[in-house]
Amino acid sequence: AQSVTQLGSHVSVSEGALVLLRCNYSSSVPPYLFWYVQYPNQGLQLLLKYTSAATLVKGINGFEAEFKKSETSFHLTKPSAHMSDAAEYFCALSYPGRRALTFGSGTRLQVQP
Amino acid sequence: SQTIHQWPATLVQPVGSPLSLECTVEGTSNPNLYWYRQAAGRGLQLLFYSVGIGQISSEVPQNLSASRPQDRQFILSSKKLLLSDSGFYLCAWSVKGFKDLETQYFGPGTRLLVL
Repeated sequence: AQSVTQLGSHVSVSEGALVLLRCNYSSSVPPYLFWYVQYPNQGLQLLLKYTSAATLVKGINGFEAEFKKSETSFHLTKPSAHMSDAAEYFCALSYPGRRALTFGSGTRLQVQP
Repeated sequence: SQTIHQWPATLVQPVGSPLSLECTVEGTSNPNLYWYRQAAGRGLQLLFYSVGIGQISSEVPQNLSASRPQDRQFILSSKKLLLSDSGFYLCAWSVKGFKDLETQYFGPGTRLLVL
């Protein structure tokens, strides 16, 4: 069975500090991995996706994530947090032939001034 | 460019009342369509998906049903709402897969509160 684990339901950083949101996955087949962001009372916006090409994936708003097969991880990072980054972030997994996305439980990012 | 609409944005309904949530996609043809529910403390769960008009697949048994009367319209319904149906309902679409990858794009959501 496939699963996604996001370590830390809440992460707080200072403005300008490094953002690191953790995602580990379990999959019996090579996965596709996604990060989505959800601002309050809004839908999910795709940040970036891994599709078995480059292991370092760059997304929108300065975010990037690195696929590490040996660690079964796909952590999301941003060098310098901005106040506008405060939101909830979801890691999700899919694989060829699978319709549904399997989501992690989400990490709420708080950015302190 | 493609856009996805959901309405209503917010809905408060009594237990036992019917439900109809609508989702429409613009700017693409023959998309795959999805309904997800985000319940407090329970993450996002796929409820239904559709690969074409009249073709609905259910992921979990529940009090809800879905229909796709037109190519770019997806409707979520219930005959009698339960308290447990409260949540944030998200519609998503994807282009049919290139190399089996179908990135899903989400609508703005409908917040449903059943009292």
